[in-house]
Amino acid sequence: SQTIHQWPATLVQPVGSPLSLECTVEGTSNPNLYWYRQAAGRGLQLLFYSVGIGQISSEVPQNLSASRPQDRQFILSSKKLLLSDSGFYLCAWSSKGTDYGYTFGSGTRLTVV
Amino acid sequence: AQSVAQPEDQVNVAEGNPLTVKCTYSVSGNPYLFWYVQYPNRGLQFLLKYITGDNLVKGSYGFEAEFNKSQTSFHLKKPSALVSDSALYFCAVRVGRGSTLGRLYFGRGTQLTVWP
Repeated sequence: SQTIHQWPATLVQPVGSPLSLECTVEGTSNPNLYWYRQAAGRGLQLLFYSVGIGQISSEVPQNLSASRPQDRQFILSSKKLLLSDSGFYLCAWSSKGTDYGYTFGSGTRLTVV
Repeated sequence: AQSVAQPEDQVNVAEGNPLTVKCTYSVSGNPYLFWYVQYPNRGLQFLLKYITGDNLVKGSYGFEAEFNKSQTSFHLKKPSALVSDSALYFCAVRVGRGSTLGRLYFGRGTQLTVWP
């Protein structure tokens, strides 16, 4: 069966420090991968999505970047964190060409202090 | 453009009473509709989906949803609410069967609170 792993679960980082959040998927190949941010426990903002290795699409300009160095690995990064980067970050995957929805990771709570 | 609206930020219901969480959508093409639930500090969990066929879809934890094409709605329902149903609920729509991306468009979420 397919599983998605996201870590760390919580992270407290000072302003100006770098960030690296990792997401990996098991049990499938060539998935679509997504990074979302959820602020204040409400709406989901799509940050990045990827349909293949090295293929990254950004939805909104921001202080973050994403990379997909391997088929089932998706990394969210920042060189210098801002206070406004605080939030709950969710990774998700979906299969191509099917009727399935997304499967989400358990999320990372990032607090920038 | 595709969009999903959840007109209620908050729904409050007493335990044992029926509950409804509303969702309407706007798409160009046949919609594929989903409901997800999120508990505090957790990822979203799949509840149910409508792809085709019977307009009444049954899902996890006793939830069901009715697809209404004329009203472009996909309301989530449960005959008897439980306190443990208290959570944040998201409606989502996908367009394009077999598309490479298969992107979901999410509503803003509805916080359901069930009172004992």
